[in-house]
Amino acid sequence: KAGVTQTPRYLIKTRGQQVTLSCSPISGHRSVSWYQQTPGQGLQFLFEYFSETQRNKGNFPGRFSGRQFSNSRSEMNVSTLELGDSALYLCASSFSGEETQYFGPGTRLLVL
Amino acid sequence: AQSVTQPDIHITVSEGASLELRCNYSYGATPYLFWYVQSPGQGLQLLLKYFSGDTLVQGIKGFEAEFKRSQSSFNLRKPSVHWSDAAEYFCAVGERGGADGLTFGKGTHLIIQP
Repeated sequence: KAGVTQTPRYLIKTRGQQVTLSCSPISGHRSVSWYQQTPGQGLQFLFEYFSETQRNKGNFPGRFSGRQFSNSRSEMNVSTLELGDSALYLCASSFSGEETQYFGPGTRLLVL
Repeated sequence: AQSVTQPDIHITVSEGASLELRCNYSYGATPYLFWYVQSPGQGLQLLLKYFSGDTLVQGIKGFEAEFKRSQSSFNLRKPSVHWSDAAEYFCAVGERGGADGLTFGKGTHLIIQP
């Protein structure tokens, strides 16, 4: 069974731009969670989607948003990029959100 | 609010020696506990998990962890480390329902000396 895939793997953007990251979960998994990883703050929960509904969101500004499609694929969007948004963005999938989360390789975003 | 503490930022171990990485959590109910490993530039790989039952859990790559409710700990152990074990190790706690996401510790960087 294929693992979680994330595209693109690397991105370079400039301040003020927006970016969209994509995540394809493991086949059969309906829950997708997003995390931001930075050297200073570590791994922080962004939000979780299940059956196209956002069930919870972490403590991030409204510039961070996401959605989930009927095939469980998910996208996250960051608008008006700031330098501090430079991070590794990790996507994780699980069957229903209650079980083990399996992580993708991440998208590394650099904001200049 | 739940929290996870990994008190050791860096640990250096000689190849072939035993390893113990510490993890303490703060959580009101019975938590779900996980250990993940991350190699440079990579995502997180699950090593092992504890949901309920036997408090000593076995994982991949020869790792094991013991859940001690009285100490709010979930320490990771390996009897003999290999150079390929050098990586960043994260302890995480989750809740039933899972919608709030996992809460991670800051990680422990494991260095293996030849």
